[in-house]
Amino acid sequence: KQEVTQIPAALSVPEGENLVLNCSFTDSAIYNLQWFRQDPGKGLTSLLLIQSSQREQTSGRLNASLDKSSGRSTLYIAASQPGDSATYLCAVTSGTYKYIFGTGTRLKVLA
Amino acid sequence: EPEVTQTPSHQVTQMGQEVILRCVPISNHLYFYWYRQILGQKVEFLVSFYNNEISEKSEIFDDQFSVERPDGSNFTLKIRSTKLEDSAMYFCASSDLGLYGYTFGSGTRLTVV
Repeated sequence: KQEVTQIPAALSVPEGENLVLNCSFTDSAIYNLQWFRQDPGKGLTSLLLIQSSQREQTSGRLNASLDKSSGRSTLYIAASQPGDSATYLCAVTSGTYKYIFGTGTRLKVLA
Repeated sequence: EPEVTQTPSHQVTQMGQEVILRCVPISNHLYFYWYRQILGQKVEFLVSFYNNEISEKSEIFDDQFSVERPDGSNFTLKIRSTKLEDSAMYFCASSDLGLYGYTFGSGTRLTVV
């Protein structure tokens, strides 16, 4: 049974720092991995999608990498801003088309 | 950018009442899903729907739940007799081929009192 874990659970950093969020999954046979952002009480905004054949994806200040064999993905946020404060979720699909979500990393960027 | 639209954004209902949550997926998507998130907990899979039938459902999706695509645009989740523990944010999502990522709606917050 696929399990997804995200570390750290919470993170507080000063503005301008580069930071790394971690996601690990137990079953490496995934189709894809997707990173989402969730603001309090709000929906899920897709940030980056990595197919199983890809190693990384980039969008602006965000870079996500995928190492299937070790069951890990990292989300790198460069030059963090207060507007980046949110919960970041990773989710994987494997076997069927449903997503299994991690518990999220709650990020606070201090001005 | 195409969106998945969910209505209502917030619904309050009395325990034992039936509720219908509505979703309009992206028009050319073929796979549709419902997820829920109890406050402070993980986003959990409920059901996937393809070709006018359920393709997979979780243990949570018991006989109290049903899904329907009543026309070419809407996708609904019905909870027949709501319980207090059904209080959660319910997310609809759609996908084009199932392998290319999801687009989520903004959610319906269901409060059962």
